[in-house]
Amino acid sequence: QKEVEQDPGPLSVPEGAIVSLNCTYSNSAFQYFMWYRQYSRKGPELLMYTYSSGNKEDGRFTAQVDKSSKYISLFIRDSQPSDSATYLCAMRPGAGSYQLTFGKGTKLSVIP
Amino acid sequence: GAVVSQHPSWVICKSGTSVKIECRSLDFQATTMFWYRQFPKQSLMLMATSNEGSKATYEQGVEKDKFLINHASLTLSTLTVTSAHPEDSSFYICSAPEDFTDTQYFGPGTRLTVL
Repeated sequence: QKEVEQDPGPLSVPEGAIVSLNCTYSNSAFQYFMWYRQYSRKGPELLMYTYSSGNKEDGRFTAQVDKSSKYISLFIRDSQPSDSATYLCAMRPGAGSYQLTFGKGTKLSVIP
Repeated sequence: GAVVSQHPSWVICKSGTSVKIECRSLDFQATTMFWYRQFPKQSLMLMATSNEGSKATYEQGVEKDKFLINHASLTLSTLTVTSAHPEDSSFYICSAPEDFTDTQYFGPGTRLTVL
């Protein structure tokens, strides 16, 4: 079993839809959880950063972490064509350990 | 947010030559930097951890004599691909966690094509 599982998609949704992306993980030591957005041929861009369980909202994006289920989600409201990209979940253990473990990434297309 | 730059953004070289890629943290200090490789439609694979003032730590299966890493200052790490071969063609990305915030920022990547 891989440490982080993420459905690679592709996922296609109409403009304005709510998008739900998720990852599961097996390592209970993970404490910090991130979502990155990566456009084709570009480096990943940090979208959301959360510590431990709970929700975090930033504009149209909401990140959820459920450590008891080892499950994290990213919701995108009112999706736009410019949201079309690959979304990578990433996580790492506690403070002092910066090494990230990534999911495979989910390719999202938002159709106008 | 903080900015990490990479140079060059793309490079084409002949088989057998060496290529150097630079990674710079532009407005913050980074004691540690990471180097990743990404093949098409694949996720990022960590190659090595670069530490300022000390030797890099390589992941299992990564040849340290082929991928030379130098972290000469708190804002610069370099990756040199020595005696490059076509199978080394890939997208190389660096990242740097900002000291004291734990937030990790990625560079824009360098696309290497070895002919």
